[in-house]
Amino acid sequence: DTGVSQNPRHKITKRGQNVTFRCDPISEHNRLYWYRQTLGQGPEFLTYFQNEAQLEKSRLLSDRFSAERPKGSFSTLEIQRTEQGDSAMYLCASGLDGYEQYFGPGTRLTVT
Amino acid sequence: AQSVTQLDSQVPVFEEAPVELRCNYSSSVSVYLFWYVQYPNQGLQLLLKYLSGSTLVKGINGFEAEFNKSQTSFHLRKPSVHISDTAEYFCAVSDPRTGGFKTIFGAGTRLFVKA
Repeated sequence: DTGVSQNPRHKITKRGQNVTFRCDPISEHNRLYWYRQTLGQGPEFLTYFQNEAQLEKSRLLSDRFSAERPKGSFSTLEIQRTEQGDSAMYLCASGLDGYEQYFGPGTRLTVT
Repeated sequence: AQSVTQLDSQVPVFEEAPVELRCNYSSSVSVYLFWYVQYPNQGLQLLLKYLSGSTLVKGINGFEAEFNKSQTSFHLRKPSVHISDTAEYFCAVSDPRTGGFKTIFGAGTRLFVKA
C-alpha cells in the first residue's frame, strides 16, 4: 500500500492557461474523489468516480473543469482557461466500497 | 442540503489537558459522520467514523466522538492531548441514501497543543 499519490505537488500558471493534475489511487480502490480546498476552509466536493464512471459532479465544477478516470485506474483533473479564483489545493482521495476515504497530499495551484 | 458547522476555528490547550472539538450538522435524514485530521504538509487521515450502532465511537490516537441525534452533534474528545496532536481537524457528513460518497466537510478546527 503506497498510498494515494498526486502530481504535480505544486503548479504555478498564468491566467488563461490550461492545467492538468494527475491522481494515482491506492490499487484495488474502486472509488475516487476530487476535492478543492482553499485557505481556512475544509475540502469541497468536486466529483466522484466509481471505477471509470463519473457518478456525481458538483455545481462548483464549471464547464472549464473536466475529470476523467480511464480504465478505472488513475484520474486526471483538467482546468481550462484558469482564473485567479481557481487558486487552491486540489485533493484526491480513493476508497473501496465503504465510506472511508484515503487522501493524497494534494496539488497546490497558484494562478498568477 | 446537508451542512457541517465546526464551532471553534482554533482551540489552544496545554499538553495532557482534555480537549473537545465541537461539530454540529444539519440534515433531515440519517447521516454518516466522520472526523479527519490533517497534520502539517500531509493529507487528511480518518480518525473515526459513525455509520450506525453505538453512539460512542472510538478512533485512532486515543480520540473518541459521540453521536447525539437530538442535538445533531458529533463532538470529538480526547482525555489527555500530546504535542503531536497539534493539527487541523475536520468534521464531515455524508448521506447514506446516495451511497455515502458525497462528503461535506466543515471548515476545520486548528488544535494547538502547548507545552
